[in-house]
Amino acid sequence: GAGVSQSPSNKVTEKGKDVELRCDPISGHTALYWYRQSLGQGLEFLIYFQGNSAPDKSGLPSDRFSAERTGGSVSTLTIQRTQQEDSAVYLCASSFLATNEKLFFGSGTQLSVL
Amino acid sequence: GQQVMQIPQYQHVQEGEDFTTYCNSSTTLSNIQWYKQRPGGHPVFLIQLVKSGEVKKQKRLTFQFGEAKKNSSLHITATQTTDVGTYFCAGGGAGSYQLTFGKGTKLSVIP
Repeated sequence: GAGVSQSPSNKVTEKGKDVELRCDPISGHTALYWYRQSLGQGLEFLIYFQGNSAPDKSGLPSDRFSAERTGGSVSTLTIQRTQQEDSAVYLCASSFLATNEKLFFGSGTQLSVL
Repeated sequence: GQQVMQIPQYQHVQEGEDFTTYCNSSTTLSNIQWYKQRPGGHPVFLIQLVKSGEVKKQKRLTFQFGEAKKNSSLHITATQTTDVGTYFCAGGGAGSYQLTFGKGTKLSVIP
């Protein structure tokens, strides 16, 4: 596609439920990143993919968070047993190469945990 | 780990006034990038600086990278209401895949 696509754009869930957030990067971009942005805050790095591999998962806040990427393209971020503190905007970004490349961000998924 | 501090957190200016945001890294950077996030929007890439002492201009925006490659600034001359948003710097380490973002400076422009 022309840009990074994320779905859903908004997700409201109840505490304890699992959610899946999807990211479709720009075609041909090998690197994919997930960031979290809480209200009025900066961007918190979660995980990075090079192809289908995730060399660094250390940014994931807890073991309730996991992510995968298939076919070097679409990525899914899964949050299990959601908590209220998980409420935030989850941003996906992609870049052509992995290092020192500009990032193209999607519009994000606004997650609200009630 | 690498930390990137950005100040000020907020800045309110009268339209036509100048604006500057500063970014400081705890470690030497290989490059620094700047992004703008409009209210309700997502970050959009503005520019990347890679050389020590580099200065780049985009119309009313001037970006600088410090000699030690540990600090950077973004200066906007004669702000306009279209400049409203949050400006983030993001520092990259040598050979690193990860950009470390500052917390951003939220700019408000009073017409």
